[in-house]
Formats: sequence, C-alpha cells, structure tokens
Amino acid sequence: AQSVDQPDAHVTLYEGASLELRCSYSYSAAPYLFWYVQYPGQSLQFLLKYITGDAVVKGTKGFEAEFRKSNSSFNLKKSPAHWSDSAKYFCALEDTNTGYQNFYFGKGTSLTVIP
Amino acid sequence: DPKIIQKPKYLVAVTGSEKILICEQYLGHNAMYWYRQSAKKPLEFMFSYSYQKLMDNQTASSRFQPQSSKKNHLDLQITALKPDDSATYFCASSQERNSDYTFGSGTRLLVI
Repeated sequence: AQSVDQPDAHVTLYEGASLELRCSYSYSAAPYLFWYVQYPGQSLQFLLKYITGDAVVKGTKGFEAEFRKSNSSFNLKKSPAHWSDSAKYFCALEDTNTGYQNFYFGKGTSLTVIP
Repeated sequence: DPKIIQKPKYLVAVTGSEKILICEQYLGHNAMYWYRQSAKKPLEFMFSYSYQKLMDNQTASSRFQPQSSKKNHLDLQITALKPDDSATYFCASSQERNSDYTFGSGTRLLVI
C-alpha cells in the first residue's frame, strides 16, 4: 500500500538558516511526488513536483527538492529561509494506478522561521 | 477571482443532521476531487470524479455522497452527521493526467 511519512511534525529555525523538511514514501511503482504549502487559514498551494528526470527539482518561492530512490525520500530544501516561509508543508504521492490524480499526503510539517 | 469556489466557508451542524458542501470550479478542468483534513489525520483523499462520473471512492461511509449536477460542480452531501465528521473539506480539480491541480479554500465543518 502507498504511504507518505513526514517524520517531523514541527521544525523551527532562524531566518537565514538552511531548511530541509523530510519526506519518505512507500509505493510499488515509479512515484510521482509533490510538495504543497498551506499558510494559516488558506488552502494548499503547489510548490514543486517530481515526475521523472533530474533528481533535483526546483519549484516556486525558491524551494527545491531532491528525489532519492535509494532511500525512498523526497526532501524539501531552501537556503536561506525567510520568516515568510512559516507555514505547514505537505509531501504528497500521486497514485498513478488510478489514471486520475488521487494524492496521498503526509501528516505535514509545521515550519516556524524566527526573524 | 477565486478559481474554485467552496461554500460555505464555515458550517456548524447538529449531530444527526444533513448538510451539503458546495464546490464549483471555473478552470475548465475535467476532473474534480474531495479531500478531508482533520486534526487527527493527514489530508485524506475522498472521491474523484471525471466528466461527472465517479472514478474513485476512498470513503468507507455511505453517509458521504458526491453530487455532480454540472461538469464544473461537485457538491458533497453528508447525512447523519457525527462529531467525528468535523474537519475542513477541500475540493480540488485538474485536467486528466495533468498536474495542474488546484485546491479550493475549503469548508470548515463543525458538528456539535
């Protein structure tokens, strides 16, 4: 069965530091992986995706993520972090078996960037 | 202008009652979805529809019934409401097999 794990419920760091949010997945086929961000009181916004090709993908707002097949991970990175990055981040796996875009989400990581 | 309209934004319901959550998308997408976000669980996929037909249902309870009166509408009827149904319900849409996937702003439901 497919699943997504985000082991860190909360991450706190100071502005200017480098951030890395962890995500691991379990899926029997080639994964389609996504990161979404949710600001307080708002809906989810797309950040980036990995479908195939280069292991490092770049997205919006200066974020990038690295796909590592060897350890089934898709960690989100940004350097330097800015206070406006404070939000909840969700890693998601698309179930490509259905033919439609059904996503399986991790529980999310709440990021706090201290100015 | 919002591309996906969800109404109402907030909803309080009494246990045992029935409510309908509205979703309309103006993106010209063929597929629409419902997700649920509760405090205890990760964002959960519930339903997917394509051209007004049910494609996938991951919701165990028949109390949740999607209704698609038009191609760009996918409402969610919930009957016999329970306090555990309290959550934010997100509607989303996309083109088939296209990752231009957009979420609505959600309906926050509280069942008392």
